[in-house]
Amino acid sequence: EDKVVQSPLSLVVHEGDTVTLNCSYEVTNFRSLLWYKQEKKAPTFLFMLTSSGIEKKSGRLSSILDKKELSSILNITATQTGDSAIYLCAGLTSGSRLTFGEGTQLTVNP
Amino acid sequence: DADVTQTPRNRITKTGKRIMLECSQTKGHDRMYWYRQDPGLGLRLIYYSFDVKDINKGEISDGYSVSRQAQAKFSLSLESAIPNQTALYFCATSGPDQPQHFGDGTRLSIL
Repeated sequence: EDKVVQSPLSLVVHEGDTVTLNCSYEVTNFRSLLWYKQEKKAPTFLFMLTSSGIEKKSGRLSSILDKKELSSILNITATQTGDSAIYLCAGLTSGSRLTFGEGTQLTVNP
Repeated sequence: DADVTQTPRNRITKTGKRIMLECSQTKGHDRMYWYRQDPGLGLRLIYYSFDVKDINKGEISDGYSVSRQAQAKFSLSLESAIPNQTALYFCATSGPDQPQHFGDGTRLSIL
């Protein structure tokens, strides 16, 4: 059975802090690791990581995949209150199925 | 207009009722998915479809059925709703090996 585990499950920080969110996966026929941000509605796509060791960046967010350790991290630097959300990690199989982790609830206080 | 549209947005109903949730997309994707989200459990896959003639069970298909009426339309039915099917339901679409794009969700409450 495919499994994705995220840690921590919740995190409270102050504006300006840097945070690291963790994701480990056991996914059969693994193709890619995806990160999503979920505020009040739909999860919105952040990153898709297919190759190990290659960092992807978008503004203050960055992510990297370690296929040897079956893990990924999502970093957010200089956090803002608008970064408050649930961050979801998911493993994509060759059959285009996603297995999601439980999510990390990030709260950024002013 | 949203690329992935779910209707209704909210629904409250009683145990035993039949309910249909609808999803339509304008992204031209061939792959469509239904998930439910419960607190602390992330998103779990109910059913998915790779084209009009292809329907596959996901992780938690018991108690649900689906219909792919056209490439752009994928509906989810609860034949006889029960309270533990109270959840937030999402439809998603994708191309092959591409990120899935989600609708805004249907919040379903079964009393």
